[in-house]
Amino acid sequence: GENVEQHPSTLSVQEGDSAVIKCTYSDSASNYFPWYKQELGKRPQLIIDIRSNVGEKKDQRIAVTLNKTAKHFSLHITETQPEDSAVYFCAASIPGNQFYFGTGTSLTVIP
Amino acid sequence: EAGVAQSPRYKIIEKRQSVAFWCNPISGHATLYWYQQILGQGPKLLIQFQNNGVVDDSQLPKDRFSAERLKGVDSTLKIQPAKLEDSAVYLCASSPGTGTYEQYFGPGTRLTVT
Repeated sequence: GENVEQHPSTLSVQEGDSAVIKCTYSDSASNYFPWYKQELGKRPQLIIDIRSNVGEKKDQRIAVTLNKTAKHFSLHITETQPEDSAVYFCAASIPGNQFYFGTGTSLTVIP
Repeated sequence: EAGVAQSPRYKIIEKRQSVAFWCNPISGHATLYWYQQILGQGPKLLIQFQNNGVVDDSQLPKDRFSAERLKGVDSTLKIQPAKLEDSAVYLCASSPGTGTYEQYFGPGTRLTVT
């Protein structure tokens, strides 16, 4: 099956700086790549996603890039704020809509 | 629109006991997922239903876990007998169906096995 690796596992940034989280996947058939934010004790919330026919997508301070050739995709958060502190998960979905998640990145934004 | 509902929210049992979790997906959503999320890890897919049929249960420990989705709506996940390593949050998610990608998560059930 699909294998998704995520780095780094922890990330600390100063408020206002940018944060980048990277994921790689193994199955070239994967065609959908969502990113989730999970606050402590809460459910994962979709924050941005990208489909395999798109190279980049942006939504305000959040952007995702996809390199299909290299099988990696990245989450970029600019102008970070304390409320961005959470665990972020990437995922890859293969045809049939099975989802495989990365191991998570704990982001801390220091005021 | 009501979200995905799960119950109970918390459960504490002793090892070798049995437990069941319930999920009610968003109305009209054909696809339902059960995930296991161990502390500090990402969600791991246990089983995926499309209506009342199983699409993928390759990661479900079938010797102790079972799941059903009667009538293609609500779903129940059961563990019997439970082991210490089953302590985790069990997340249910639903999606409108194949060809649509976004999935919506329920609040989860936190299981502690002692």
